[in-house]
Amino acid sequence: IVLTQSPATLSLSPGERATLSCRASQSTTNYLAWYQQKPGQAPRLLIYDTSNRAAGIPARFSGSGSGADFTLTISSLDPEDFAVYYCQLRSDWPSTWTFGQGTRVEIK
Amino acid sequence: QVLLQESGPGLVKPSETLSLTCTVSGGSVSTSFFYWSWIRQPPGKRLEWIGHFYYSGSMVYNPSLESRATIAVDTSKNHFSLTLTSVTAADTAVYFCAMGLPPGFWGQGTLVTVSS
Repeated sequence: IVLTQSPATLSLSPGERATLSCRASQSTTNYLAWYQQKPGQAPRLLIYDTSNRAAGIPARFSGSGSGADFTLTISSLDPEDFAVYYCQLRSDWPSTWTFGQGTRVEIK
Repeated sequence: QVLLQESGPGLVKPSETLSLTCTVSGGSVSTSFFYWSWIRQPPGKRLEWIGHFYYSGSMVYNPSLESRATIAVDTSKNHFSLTLTSVTAADTAVYFCAMGLPPGFWGQGTLVTVSS
């Protein structure tokens, strides 16, 4: 399964809403996760199983979707949210993992 | 709080074998229901899953790397390792070890450059 993220780059201002898309090449499980990565750092888990926030993640981050289309929404961008975001899918059997190519959220 | 730390050579010659170790503290690699993984990221590119194992010792690998990658566990030292044979420049990347399903705990990553 191939994951395609769009857009490649999102230019927004602090306080605006960000909507990031992750599309799978076929209908799949709901084991879809989202990560945030800043330069020189390891990825940070935001969302798991499509819509569950990881521990310590602010409520402005939410995930949704099903089938082959998934979305990460940041309701109001904080200055610390400007980063690259990756989606990641776990297939049921075999338990292989796939990452999308990333969406960069930059300050407009 | 689980902490993971990658270690190993930062430079490997083409055709040779890359070997990395992930040392775990604050948790045990033999704990039930935990997944332990290796993930890499070539410079400026997307993350790529290499493989993982869980408490039963079952290893699962990325099909594109399965012929060259081996993950091993040493419960006495509470660490796990990655070996990747016959490396090329395409294997140049930051290599991360991580824990969880999906991974919620990550090491800081270590850059491995393949070059003569």
